[in-house]
Amino acid sequence: DVKVTQSSRYLVKRTGEKVFLECVQDMDHENMFWYRQDPGLGLRLIYFSYDVKMKEKGDIPEGYSVSREKKERFSLILESASTNQTSMYLCASGQGGTGWGGYTFGSGTRLTVV
Amino acid sequence: AQKVTQAQTEISVVEKEDVTLDCVYETRDTTYYLFWYKQPPSGELVFLIRRNSFDEQNEISGRYSWNFQKSTSSFNFTITASQVVDSAVYFCALSEANAGNMLTFGGGTRLMVKP
Repeated sequence: DVKVTQSSRYLVKRTGEKVFLECVQDMDHENMFWYRQDPGLGLRLIYFSYDVKMKEKGDIPEGYSVSREKKERFSLILESASTNQTSMYLCASGQGGTGWGGYTFGSGTRLTVV
Repeated sequence: AQKVTQAQTEISVVEKEDVTLDCVYETRDTTYYLFWYKQPPSGELVFLIRRNSFDEQNEISGRYSWNFQKSTSSFNFTITASQVVDSAVYFCALSEANAGNMLTFGGGTRLMVKP
């Protein structure tokens, strides 16, 4: 069964800490994405990547960075966590092209910044 | 710019009732894709359906059906004879062909099915 695995289900961090959220997919997908989910706002795209070492900003990249050193792994980094980054973070992967059937999502990481 | 609106934030029904979740989208592209995802309490979004802009045929899959109408820019989702297991947050999403497979999501509709 294909999978997108996010390393932590729940995280609690302090303001100012550097936070790493890890995502691994086993489907050899080229495209990987990081979203945050907030009530009433749906999912908003933070960053995405189409290939190794490649990254593109999404709609809300401020305060975040990403790293993709290997095809299967896409990391989201909060350089200095703030309370307004308390949210559910969802990683997704997908394959492009006309046969694209949508993303496969991980189970999410609920991050609380105190 | 692309936009997806799900006007219903929460819907509550009793088991066996039919329920329709509304989705309205905006796009300037002529080629685009529409999606529905289900997010159960476990948190993982589950892909339900994808339609492309050239295919307006309605689709039925078991108790689920989708009505795509370009004239009203809507892609509504109906669950027939709802069950408690249908309780979840449902997201509608749009991807423009020129947007590199990026999905824009609506705000989601929380469906509660009571026994």
